[in-house]
Amino acid sequence: GQQVMQIPQYQHVQEGEDFTTYCNSSTTLSNIQWYKQRPGGHPVFLIQLVKSGEVKKQKRLTFQFGEAKKNSSLHITATQTTDVGTYFCAGRRNTDKLIFGTGTRLQVFP
Amino acid sequence: DAGITQSPRHKVTETGTPVTLRCHQTENHRYMYWYRQDPGHGLRLIHYSYGVKDTDKGEVSDGYSVSRSKTEDFLLTLESATSSQTSVYFCAISEERPEDQYFGPGTRLLVL
Repeated sequence: GQQVMQIPQYQHVQEGEDFTTYCNSSTTLSNIQWYKQRPGGHPVFLIQLVKSGEVKKQKRLTFQFGEAKKNSSLHITATQTTDVGTYFCAGRRNTDKLIFGTGTRLQVFP
Repeated sequence: DAGITQSPRHKVTETGTPVTLRCHQTENHRYMYWYRQDPGHGLRLIHYSYGVKDTDKGEVSDGYSVSRSKTEDFLLTLESATSSQTSVYFCAISEERPEDQYFGPGTRLLVL
């Protein structure tokens, strides 16, 4: 079945350092979404990528969708303590169900 | 945040007892989903609904049933709870299937 792997599982950074999480699918995806979950909270939708090679930015966050539409990344520039949380990617193949990655938990030390 | 509520927010129950979790939305969205979240597994889809009385299984549906008699309500039932069903349960909604999903606040369930 379709699998979505996400690495790393955990990342601890000093405030101001950059952070990247990677998402890889065993199959080609029609689109990929990214969510953020604060500690004790619920997942919140961040963005959706649809096109091959697409790059989208939200302030300090940069999202990329691979050329083969099998991988994606989220890069945060100059992390802040407010970036703390778990970041999930979620991929969909055609009209199939959304499959969530296992998430990357980000801890930012001041 | 989208208008999604879940009840109860916390529940402790014993093995073998039935449990029903409720998800209520005020957005009139067509699709509703139940996920469970466990350490190391991320979010896994249990069941989803694409309309009143229209439901389908997700990847971890064994031991769970759902019902949707009204657009706004989606119920998840554990007929006979087991300790392996201890988890955090999230309800989510979306207007159309390919669209982004909005999550409820979650229900923490502990089965002793």
